Amino acid sequence: NAGVMQNPRHLVRRRGQEARLRCSPMKGHSHVYWYRQLPEEGLKFMVYLQKENIIDESGMPKERFSAEFPKEGPSILRIQQVVRGDSAAYFCASSPRRAEWGYTFGSGTRLTVV
Amino acid sequence: KQEVTQIPAALSVPEGENLVLNCSFTDSAIYNLQWFRQDPGKGLTSLLLIQSSQREQTSGRLNASLDKSSGRSTLYIAASQPGDSATYLCAAEGNDMRFGAGTRLTVKP
Repeated sequence: NAGVMQNPRHLVRRRGQEARLRCSPMKGHSHVYWYRQLPEEGLKFMVYLQKENIIDESGMPKERFSAEFPKEGPSILRIQQVVRGDSAAYFCASSPRRAEWGYTFGSGTRLTVV
Repeated sequence: KQEVTQIPAALSVPEGENLVLNCSFTDSAIYNLQWFRQDPGKGLTSLLLIQSSQREQTSGRLNASLDKSSGRSTLYIAASQPGDSATYLCAAEGNDMRFGAGTRLTVKP
């Protein structure tokens, strides 16, 4: 079991470009969560998805950010027209079901906006 | 809204000491509480998961306790080693998983 796989590990984008972050959950896990960690800060919840459904996006900025978890393939966190303030580590976690097994985290994608 | 607080924010101890990291949460209606370790520039490694019906979990030199009624959890590390140096995060899972800001631990040789 390869665990939660995130790619790329590091991503550099110029201001105004788009960033696409991918997350493949652990085998057998159908729940995916995205978190953002700003430098020297804690993890902040962004969005919770199940296959083809967004369950909770209360932590997502209202503009430029979107997430999906299609029937086939990884979950994608998409940031349009990136700004310097988007520079952060973005972590994905997965679980087999809610509220029972805890979360398994990926190694994260470190986004740098220049 | 769940708020998770960790005290202290940073801790520096000599090797061999036993130490306690504290975590408090405001909403006791949680399903579980999870402790993680994060090394600089790295991801999160799960250390211990305590279900809401449990009082504690142990793994090697680590012991975590949970008191839902008082909204507290502690992580006890016995005989600390320099390799234990990292940031320790606690997270309470209710409708979603909320994290504390972490305790940055340094164990000096």
